[in-house]
This record gives sequence, C-alpha cells and structure tokens, in this order.
Amino acid sequence: GQQVMQIPQYQHVQEGEDFTTYCNSSTTLSNIQWYKQRPGGHPVFLIQLVKSGEVKKQKRLTFQFGEAKKNSSLHITATQTTDVGTYFCAGPVTGANNLFFGTGTRLTVIP
Amino acid sequence: DSGVTQTPKHLITATGQRVTLRCSPRSGDLSVYWYQQSLDQGLQFLIQYYNGEERAKGNILERFSAQQFPDLHSELNLSSLELGDSALYFCASSEGPLGETQYFGPGTRLLVL
Repeated sequence: GQQVMQIPQYQHVQEGEDFTTYCNSSTTLSNIQWYKQRPGGHPVFLIQLVKSGEVKKQKRLTFQFGEAKKNSSLHITATQTTDVGTYFCAGPVTGANNLFFGTGTRLTVIP
Repeated sequence: DSGVTQTPKHLITATGQRVTLRCSPRSGDLSVYWYQQSLDQGLQFLIQYYNGEERAKGNILERFSAQQFPDLHSELNLSSLELGDSALYFCASSEGPLGETQYFGPGTRLLVL
C-alpha cells in the first residue's frame, strides 16, 4: 500500500543550527503539504507544493518538492526554540480523497 | 485559531462505555476528516465525510462510526471502549473532497480507564 516515510524520526539541534527533514513517498504525489504540530497542539498547515522541482520559502523555512514528485524536504535555517514541534508531510492518497500523513519528524531545539 | 471547533476538550470514561465526539468545520468547508493520534504516534486517518456523505474510509474500527449532519457538523461515535482507544482525536475540515489543505481542530483527548 501507499507509504509516506519521514526521516529522521527525531532530531535534537542546538539553537542556531540548521535542520532538515525528508519525506519519501512510495508513489508519485500530485501535491505535497507540510504541517507543524507544536507540543500539546494540533497540526497546522504550513505550505503546499504542486510542481515538480518546486521550491518555496517562508522566512527561515525552505520547502522543496522533488523532480519525480515522490519526495520532499523541509529545511530550517538557524533554528529557534519556537521551531520546536513535529513536522508532518502529507500527500493525497492514490485513487482516494483523503491525505496520507507521513510518520513525522519531532524537532527539539536546545537553547 | 483554525475555525474548526471540537467538543469536548477532554473526556474520561471507562472500558465498555460509549462516547460521542463533536466537530464543527470552518465556515464554508464541506469536508470533515477524523484522525486518531496515540501517544507519540502519527496521525491515523479514520474517515472522511463530504457534504453529508461518507467519502473515504481509513483505519476505522467497526466499533467506531461517524456521520455528518445537514448543518455540516460531524460526530464520531466510539463504542465498547477499550484501554487502547485512549488517544487524541482530531477533526479537520477542507473546502472540497479531494485532499486539499486541511484545517485541524484543537482535538479531544480521550482517556479510557
């Protein structure tokens, strides 16, 4: 069945260091979305990528969609304590109407 | 604030009992999704409704059921509860039926004792 894996599962960084999480799908995705869930909170939509090779930036966050539309990455430059949380990628389920969420990467930022 | 509301915020009940979780989508959104998130786990998709009709089904147990009403609010019914059903249950909504951006509610934390 369709799988969306993220690596790493956990990442601890010193404040100011960069962070990257990778999302890999077993199937081609029409689009990929990224969500952030703060500790004790709910997932919040960050961004959607649609085109092959697309790169989008939000301040210190850079999102990339692979050329084959099967992988994606989220890179955070100079992490801050406010970046703490779990980052999920999600893509439409093939032949269905819902999103398939990745396994998530939990980021801890050490001040 | 996503515009999606969920009640109750917390629920404590006993094994074998039945509970109902309620969700009101964002204004204008026709799709409602239900997810289960156990401790330190990812988001497990349960079910989706679009404009009152079931649209997609995920890993939803037979003991669980849901519906979406004409005013578009949705309820998730969990029956014959087991200890392992303790989790965060999120509702999300989107405009259309096809896996667009989803807006999540604050969740209902269910504890089965």
